[in-house]
Amino acid sequence: GAGVSQSPSNKVTEKGKDVELRCDPISGHTALYWYRQSLGQGLEFLIYFQGNSAPDKSGLPSDRFSAERTGGSVSTLTIQRTQQEDSAVYLCASSLERGTDYYGYTFGSGTRLTVV
Amino acid sequence: QKEVEQNSGPLSVPEGAIASLNCTYSDRVSQSFFWYRQYSGKSPELIMSIYSNGDKEDGRFTAQLNKASQYVSLLIRDSQPSDSATYLCAVNGRSGGFKTIFGAGTRLFVKA
Repeated sequence: GAGVSQSPSNKVTEKGKDVELRCDPISGHTALYWYRQSLGQGLEFLIYFQGNSAPDKSGLPSDRFSAERTGGSVSTLTIQRTQQEDSAVYLCASSLERGTDYYGYTFGSGTRLTVV
Repeated sequence: QKEVEQNSGPLSVPEGAIASLNCTYSDRVSQSFFWYRQYSGKSPELIMSIYSNGDKEDGRFTAQLNKASQYVSLLIRDSQPSDSATYLCAVNGRSGGFKTIFGAGTRLFVKA
């Protein structure tokens, strides 16, 4: 697509429920990232996918968080047994990377998650 | 020490002035440097990238990189109220693996 598409744009869920957030990156972008941003805070890295390589999961805050990327394209971030501290804007970004050449990210519009 | 440090601000400048935003980073082998602009309630938007020492100009924006000092800056000439936003410095370096590390951002206010 023309940009990075995220859905849903807003999600309100009850504490303890599972949620799935979806990201559709720019066509041809091999790298996909998930970050989250709490109100008034900076970007917190969660997970990174690059081509067929094993994902970098070093930023996932707990084992309640998981993500997958199917067919090198669409990614889903799953949060199990949501907690109130999970409330944040979850941002997906994609990038064109070739070898050691790094390019800037294009971000999606984010999913605002509210756990009540 | 944070990997990417920025003054949180807010930085307030009058319309038409030059706004200077600064950033330092800790990983000496960092290779790629970026500035993103984030309006309130919106996602970050890439505005500048720089890869080698010196200055890079794009319209009213100039990015400056000094790898010896581990310092990168963004100058905004003829600042406009529409430039009011949070500016995020981002660095891609070996210590971060292949992911980009973001600073916490500097809030800029341009007064009309």
